[in-house]
Amino acid sequence: ILNVEQSPQSLHVQEGDSTNFTCSFPSSNFYALHWYRWETAKSPEALFVMTLNGDEKKKGRISATLNTKEGYSYLYIKGSQPEDSATYLCAFSGNQFYFGTGTSLTVIP
Amino acid sequence: DAGVTQSPTHLIKTRGQHVTLRCSPISGHKSVSWYQQVLGQGPQFIFQYYEKEERGRGNFPDRFSARQFPNYSSELNVNALLLGDSALYLCASSLFQLLLGTEAFFGQGTRLTVV
Repeated sequence: ILNVEQSPQSLHVQEGDSTNFTCSFPSSNFYALHWYRWETAKSPEALFVMTLNGDEKKKGRISATLNTKEGYSYLYIKGSQPEDSATYLCAFSGNQFYFGTGTSLTVIP
Repeated sequence: DAGVTQSPTHLIKTRGQHVTLRCSPISGHKSVSWYQQVLGQGPQFIFQYYEKEERGRGNFPDRFSARQFPNYSSELNVNALLLGDSALYLCASSLFQLLLGTEAFFGQGTRLTVV
């Protein structure tokens, strides 16, 4: 069983603040790292898939980086908006997905 | 294009009963994987099917079984339901096997309550 850890568990920020979360995973037998955004009562929405050490991906105000050698990925949100409120999940991909427990983000207007 | 569809959306069953959950992947996707999410935890992998063959199994008892049909839709079956099986069951669809780092798309899930 692989251990994927996310921190912090929850986060409250003011609208306009920038924030970041961490996903830690085993550095051996790495295939891919996925980030998902999950709003209540909706499907998890794929944000990024990253496969190469040093990968950086960006989608609007959200970006992510990947360090496979040390086993971590950061997700950044610039200028948080209330609609960014959701749980952000990372998943380490081998022959299955190993999910972290998520970071719950609340953006206060 | 329709996304990943799961049915039913909600279900209430009694202990000891059997349940079948269904998943239709995105058109053209050949891999379906199943996950169980209980409150406060991340989703836990149950099964992966690719081209109608089981390609991975998580740490779940034999009461859990699944299959994939020629049209790539999938069923998850759970026998002899226990209270602890109450959870959100998610299905994910991908073009290739998860091992290849392929992007996976999730359905909205089936909320199963066992009473």
